[in-house]
Amino acid sequence: NAGVTQTPKFRILKIGQSMTLQCAQDMNHNYMYWYRQDPGMGLKLIYYSVGAGITDKGEVPNGYNVSRSTTEDFPLRLELAAPSQTSVYFCASSMTGDREKLFFGSGTQLSVL
Amino acid sequence: AQSVSQHNHHVILSEAASLELGCNYSYGGTVNLFWYVQYPGQHLQLLLKYFSGDPLVKGIKGFEAEFIKSKFSFNLRKPSVQWSDTAEYFCAVVSGSARQLTFGSGTQLTVLP
Repeated sequence: NAGVTQTPKFRILKIGQSMTLQCAQDMNHNYMYWYRQDPGMGLKLIYYSVGAGITDKGEVPNGYNVSRSTTEDFPLRLELAAPSQTSVYFCASSMTGDREKLFFGSGTQLSVL
Repeated sequence: AQSVSQHNHHVILSEAASLELGCNYSYGGTVNLFWYVQYPGQHLQLLLKYFSGDPLVKGIKGFEAEFIKSKFSFNLRKPSVQWSDTAEYFCAVVSGSARQLTFGSGTQLTVLP
């Protein structure tokens, strides 16, 4: 069972570079989420999507963009990387009837230097 | 806005000791409460949840949590911990006005063999 797959697992960026974090799920879940986890801060919601073609901002969306062209994929884009975006990023998904039971990916450790 | 506080950042116990991890939330209305766990090298996963009814909720692996509305608390307990319970534990809340999970900062539990 693949579940939620995130790539890459690790990445180092220079300030000002851009990149896309990939997220795919094979459970046909409508809901998908991007969180970032900073030490001692818990998980903060960046963006979420309730279905293909629909996205919305979470608690900390600045500096990020998302798209949801298919049910399976929910990429997260960093346009101009900044040191403040150094974090661990988690993608998650959930089904309509049990929205709060999130299935998480393994995370992407991103460092911006 | 809803918020969640986990005051214990790191807890160290010996095997067979009893466990109680604190979780307090800030919203005064109807809430749904959750505990998620991340074992070393694994994905975050749901441990247990409370929606309504019996305030004592039982989850996987012998964990339980008690919802005390008057104290705005949802503490996680286990009578006798095992080395395999070493993990990071996150409390989370969804309130009536919010649509998404808000996570606490997490508690790292280390169980010594």
